[in-house]
Amino acid sequence: KNQVEQSPQSLIILEGKNCTLQCNYTVSPFSNLRWYKQDTGRGPVSLTIMTFSENTKSNGRYTATLDADTKQSSLHITASQLSDSASYICVVIHAGGYQKVTFGTGTKLQVIP
Amino acid sequence: GAVVSQHPSWVICKSGTSVKIECRSLDFQATTMFWYRQFPKQSLMLMATSNEGSKATYEQGVEKDKFLINHASLTLSTLTVTSAHPEDSSFYICSARDDSRFNYGYTFGSGTRLTVV
Repeated sequence: KNQVEQSPQSLIILEGKNCTLQCNYTVSPFSNLRWYKQDTGRGPVSLTIMTFSENTKSNGRYTATLDADTKQSSLHITASQLSDSASYICVVIHAGGYQKVTFGTGTKLQVIP
Repeated sequence: GAVVSQHPSWVICKSGTSVKIECRSLDFQATTMFWYRQFPKQSLMLMATSNEGSKATYEQGVEKDKFLINHASLTLSTLTVTSAHPEDSSFYICSARDDSRFNYGYTFGSGTRLTVV
């Protein structure tokens, strides 16, 4: 079982609508949690980075939340645009000197006109 | 901001030949870099961790003699796919960890699409 599970696997929304992507993790302890956006055929680009003590972090229309008690994170996209169509990946960096990285399963978002 | 340059962005090679992919941190030093492979519609899979000045650490199931990694400087790691076969066709991505930002600095390259014919 993957230590970082994302839902939904895929999502289609109308342009201008909001959406929320979920990330549940079992990694413990962890150093920080990140959300990345990956366009098809491109490398992932960082959207937000949160340490275990942070609850929320915003980057433009992207807002990430973190609940370390329930081990859940969400990425909220406001007023979606066609260019938001991509895969969104939740990544957890393990605590400790080695800093192992665990990738989530990803959510493929498609924004349609 | 931190930038990682990966080159080439795409390459087509004949079966049996070798291909080298470069991963370069442009504005920071990276003692540690990572190499991933991603098949269509799947998540990134870590292949190996590249450490400057020492041998790479390979994940289970990854052939170290087939995927040669060299990390000779603090800004450059290379992945060489030796004797490539069609099943090696994939999207290869590197990431680099910024030495000066231990807890935060993971930046990905733009990826290399390898097609072996």
